Amino acid sequence: DADVTQTPRNRITKTGKRIMLECSQTKGHDRMYWYRQDPGLGLQLIYYSFDVKDINKGEISDGYSVSRQAQAKFSLSLESAIPNQTALYFCATSDLWLETQYFGPGTRLTVL
Amino acid sequence: AQSVTQLGSHVSVSEGALVLLRCNYSSSVPPYLFWYVQYPNQGLQLLLKYTSAATLVKGINGFEAEFKKSETSFHLTKPSAHMSDAAEYFCAGGYQKVTFGTGTKLQVIP
Repeated sequence: DADVTQTPRNRITKTGKRIMLECSQTKGHDRMYWYRQDPGLGLQLIYYSFDVKDINKGEISDGYSVSRQAQAKFSLSLESAIPNQTALYFCATSDLWLETQYFGPGTRLTVL
Repeated sequence: AQSVTQLGSHVSVSEGALVLLRCNYSSSVPPYLFWYVQYPNQGLQLLLKYTSAATLVKGINGFEAEFKKSETSFHLTKPSAHMSDAAEYFCAGGYQKVTFGTGTKLQVIP
């Protein structure tokens, strides 16, 4: 089984809708991250969490929120989706800060 | 601000030819550095990482990278490209936080 899983893998939604992307990990890591990938822009950090009680904004947090329900679960929400949030979203985990990150398979989100 | 720059968004090589993907970092101190690979429809996976133990770092699938402080570079190389190397490669690194480069798509021509 995959160590980092993301659901859904693909999602099409409409402008203004609320949507939640979920991430679960079995690696036992404390640190979890949400990234957004756009062609030509690489990966941009949206939010990161050091543990259940520690959540931090990344480079592009506007329009997004997160919830760390447990050590193993980290969810990303778009409260009111807009078309320029159409992108590939990745969850990642790491054991230590500045250490190797382990990525989920990604969620492809399309906002119409 | 620290940053990671990848030169060339697309690189094409012939099968069997040398692969060279360029990465430069901007930092006043040696940062933590990584190369990740992303195959189509998959997440990123680690190729190799610089830990300051050695300037020449060997990774998986025959890739290696050399840390050159004088040039602030961490270029990725492989002596002989294989068709299965076709993917997007990301350099990443930083001192206080990890920043990803914009990626280089490698095309391998038969």
